[in-house]
Amino acid sequence: EVHLVQSGAEVKRPGESLKISCETSGYNFATHWIGWVRQVPGKGLEWVGIIYPGDSDTRYSPSFEGQVTISADTSVGVAFLQWTSLKTSDTAIYFCARHWEGDWFDPWGQGTLVTVSS
Amino acid sequence: QSVLTQPSSVSGAPGQRITISCTGSSSNIGDGFDVHWYQQLPGTVPKLLIYNNSSRPSGVPDRFSASRSGTSASLAITGLRAEDETDYYCQSYDSSLSGFVFGTGTKVTVL
Repeated sequence: EVHLVQSGAEVKRPGESLKISCETSGYNFATHWIGWVRQVPGKGLEWVGIIYPGDSDTRYSPSFEGQVTISADTSVGVAFLQWTSLKTSDTAIYFCARHWEGDWFDPWGQGTLVTVSS
Repeated sequence: QSVLTQPSSVSGAPGQRITISCTGSSSNIGDGFDVHWYQQLPGTVPKLLIYNNSSRPSGVPDRFSASRSGTSASLAITGLRAEDETDYYCQSYDSSLSGFVFGTGTKVTVL
């Protein structure tokens, strides 16, 4: 069975850096795209980006290009989402999810709440 | 940048049939890209409800059905139950954005 387990909630100051993780199991991590989705509390879902761990091919939503970096470590089956300088507007829940060839996402990680506040 | 538009809310009485629309454009649904639907219960993870326009994953009741036509898609819930009261999102791919897009989301209320 496929499982995606994300790292725990984070509280950061504006300007700080952060790297959150998504640990996968139950499938060949290297050969399936894995995506990230943002949800501001009380708001809708926004696609952040996606990575193919096998060759690190990465695509970003225009809204997030240059704001975050997606990476993956195939040796441990973990995907990452990172910021070099957080803003208060980055406060949200971030989900990772496995991508399927038909372009849907399933399953999803439990989400990581990132709170950025001074 | 939600390019898929859904009604913000839809309501119905128990047992009734409701539909949720997902309106796109020629660069996403109208360009032939498939539509998928997710259900998100309060405080929980989005759950895949429908994939490839009309297919249900194992375990999803047949009360949920969906279709796609032209530049839009729709999700139907028949025999509405109290447990269906939550948020629903459509999702597709957009060729102009070269990326995935989600609908604006619809809150279903069971009266």
